[in-house]
Amino acid sequence: DGGITQSPKYLFRKEGQNVTLSCEQNLNHDAMYWYRQDPGQGLRLIYYSQIVNDFQKGDIAEGYSVSREKKESFPLTVTSAQKNPTAFYLCASSARAVEKLFFGSGTQLSVL
Amino acid sequence: GENVEQHPSTLSVQEGDSAVIKCTYSDSASNYFPWYKQELGKRPQLIIDIRSNVGEKKDQRIAVTLNKTAKHFSLHITETQPEDSAVYFCAASQGAQKLVFGQGTRLTINP
Repeated sequence: DGGITQSPKYLFRKEGQNVTLSCEQNLNHDAMYWYRQDPGQGLRLIYYSQIVNDFQKGDIAEGYSVSREKKESFPLTVTSAQKNPTAFYLCASSARAVEKLFFGSGTQLSVL
Repeated sequence: GENVEQHPSTLSVQEGDSAVIKCTYSDSASNYFPWYKQELGKRPQLIIDIRSNVGEKKDQRIAVTLNKTAKHFSLHITETQPEDSAVYFCAASQGAQKLVFGQGTRLTINP
């Protein structure tokens, strides 16, 4: 997974628990994104960040939170407020806004 | 906001034949249209993209056409091979910072 690394590959969440998904890139990209992928629904945008210390909500931000304290890192927290968190989560980065997104290998989150 | 519809949801073609996947978008201000390929269990990868000032772009066996008036764009794969089997996603830009994806097309190449 050269360039952008997501961890862990699999994650299990217990009821009422917050979990954090890691996303790290060494591509020197300014923009970073989190997408949720459900079967048959394509990719839906959760949060995005164009620059350090700044981020915006995407289309399905409820129940999620992010931070962008470093250019290389954009962790996603799935809070207990997210009632249906089971999905495949993809992190992406790009050098120029939405163009030529480079994706990580994803994290599969499941509920115990 | 932008809405992207992708058809068909599944497509099966014989090896060597052509495959066409179509997408429509709603925001006439969209100006960037990429296509991603996702093989089973792997991350999506950009295969081709087009800007609104271009009507067609080709890269070997893959081509994308854009009709701004009708607000639709299509992916064309010629001389299909087994390694073309994957899920393909189209997307359209919404503003300068967001991409909206279609629902995906599962393409199967039959030997």
